[in-house]
Amino acid sequence: DAMVIQNPRYQVTQFGKPVTLSCSQTLNHNVMYWYQQKSSQAPKLLFHYYDKDFNNEADTPDNFQSRRPNTSFCFLDIRSPGLGDAAMYLCATSRARDQETQYFGPGTRLLVL
Amino acid sequence: QKEVEQDPGPLSVPEGAIVSLNCTYSNSAFQYFMWYRQYSRKGPELLMYTYSSGNKEDGRFTAQVDKSSKYISLFIRDSQPSDSATYLCAMNDWKAAGNKLTFGGGTRVLVKP
Repeated sequence: DAMVIQNPRYQVTQFGKPVTLSCSQTLNHNVMYWYQQKSSQAPKLLFHYYDKDFNNEADTPDNFQSRRPNTSFCFLDIRSPGLGDAAMYLCATSRARDQETQYFGPGTRLLVL
Repeated sequence: QKEVEQDPGPLSVPEGAIVSLNCTYSNSAFQYFMWYRQYSRKGPELLMYTYSSGNKEDGRFTAQVDKSSKYISLFIRDSQPSDSATYLCAMNDWKAAGNKLTFGGGTRVLVKP
């Protein structure tokens, strides 16, 4: 019954080695979000897609990119991970962009060695 | 000063006690208020969603919003060990920022059997 699925659940990468995290959803929602959450901190929005329209947060580093090839899937690419990028990455969806609650996936925990 | 302040805890209570959580915020334009529960190494799960001031009850959970004081609360009655988790408040001003959520840092709750 999983609605927002994230793979892998745990990802280990090396400093500077590109990594891709995956999110898929069975809700047919128009909006998909990527958040970064560091230990004991609030989730921080990186960017979101409204359908195919990409919206980047002003303070999201260029090192972070995203792709949404279709409604169901969204990817987070980290081009050159640094030690400071180790975090939980959360994918969320909402049916529309306004006045709609967000549903989160279980997250991918990224470790950078 | 953060836009949303939340005591990080931990808040430790005996089983059966009432858990009282709160957040304060500075942006008077926030209109939608949410509480998420996040178990360790999992994604946030939406618990309660309220619009503007007032109370909302759902089973053992009661959410209160006082916009005049910029203060929101979540009460958990008859707490259970399974309620042990981090509770995140979130809010948004959809007119200005669409569905972008501003989170508090979370309060860790421990319910002891």
